[in-house]
Amino acid sequence: EAGVVQSPRYKIIEKKQPVAFWCNPISGHNTLYWYLQNLGQGPELLIRYENEEAVDDSQLPKDRFSAERLKGVDSTLKIQPAELGDSAVYLCASSLGSGYNEQFFGPGTRLTVL
Amino acid sequence: AQRVTQPEKLLSVFKGAPVELKCNYSYSGSPELFWYVQYSRQRLQLLLRHISRESIKGFTADLNKGETSFHLKKPFAQEEDSAMYYCALLTMDSSYKLIFGSGTRLLVRP
Repeated sequence: EAGVVQSPRYKIIEKKQPVAFWCNPISGHNTLYWYLQNLGQGPELLIRYENEEAVDDSQLPKDRFSAERLKGVDSTLKIQPAELGDSAVYLCASSLGSGYNEQFFGPGTRLTVL
Repeated sequence: AQRVTQPEKLLSVFKGAPVELKCNYSYSGSPELFWYVQYSRQRLQLLLRHISRESIKGFTADLNKGETSFHLKKPFAQEEDSAMYYCALLTMDSSYKLIFGSGTRLLVRP
């Protein structure tokens, strides 16, 4: 079992460029999360999906960030256009339902915006 | 406000010494708390959760509602315990949001 898969692992772009991150959750996990982790901080939730439905996107900056989870499996997080302050690690996690269920994290994508 | 505070950025101890990683929380409801760990070059993973009242790798954590704390303890630190530790609070409203502290780096010296 590969666990949660994310790609790319690293991405360097110039500001104002678009960028996309991909996540493949653990098979059978219907709940998927995207987190943002700034340097020296803990992860902060951006969006949570239950199957294909975004049930909590209150922390997602909707002017430049978007996410989708078509067919309730893989998910993509996009930033357009990227800003210098978006440099961070973007983590994907999945679980068998929300609540107490353990969240399993991917390795993350480290984004650097120049 | 819902908040998790880990006051120490770095905790350095010698092998065999006791360890206590501090975690304080602010939450109006009944808290469910977790400790996550990230070893070097590995992904973030669950270490233990309050509801299970378990000991994992010799670590324990007791919820103190009076002091709003969930400190992580181990009586004898090992070098392999060196890692980044995050305390997290699960909000038990419909959002089921996991709120993380800023983390404490534990360094166990030989």
